[in-house]
Amino acid sequence: SQTIHQWPATLVQPVGSPLSLECTVEGTSNPNLYWYRQAAGRGLQLLFYSVGIGQISSEVPQNLSASRPQDRQFILSSKKLLLSDSGFYLCAWNGYTFGSGTRLTVV
Amino acid sequence: AQTVTQSQPEMSVQEAETVTLSCTYDTSENNYYLFWYKQPPSRQMILVIRQEAYKQQNATENRFSVNFQKAAKSFSLKISDSQLGDTAMYFCAFGETSGSRLTFGEGTQLTVNP
Repeated sequence: SQTIHQWPATLVQPVGSPLSLECTVEGTSNPNLYWYRQAAGRGLQLLFYSVGIGQISSEVPQNLSASRPQDRQFILSSKKLLLSDSGFYLCAWNGYTFGSGTRLTVV
Repeated sequence: AQTVTQSQPEMSVQEAETVTLSCTYDTSENNYYLFWYKQPPSRQMILVIRQEAYKQQNATENRFSVNFQKAAKSFSLKISDSQLGDTAMYFCAFGETSGSRLTFGEGTQLTVNP
């Protein structure tokens, strides 16, 4: 069966520090992968999606970037975090199956 | 662009009763997918139910069912025999295809009271 893994679960980072969140999928090949962000009490906003290795589409201009170095691996990064990057980040595959999320607090 | 509207920011229901959460959407597509997600305090997004627009029959999953009105672009979720564990944020979402990105509503916070 297919599973999606996302880590870390919780992260507290100082302003200006780098960020790397990882998402991996098992049990499938060439999945569509997505990064969403959720502000407290709000709906999810799509940040990036990928239909294959090295193929990244950005939905919202921001301080973040994404990469897909392997077929089942999707990484969300930042070179220098801002306070406004705080939120809950969710990875999804096949469009509608979500990982457990990462709670990011920038201090 | 598609939009999804959930007009009820908060709702409450007594345990064992039935509650209906509303969702409307806007699209020019004829075939698409609609979803309801439950997000408990852990913030895990749990798929509750999925509806394919070309299927006229309303989807059901145990105590959860939908009323899909394609012409009215309405997709409400009915929870029967509400349980305390149903307390959560519920999100309605739209997808153009089975594996595409989702557009979410702003959510409805449901509280089930004992």
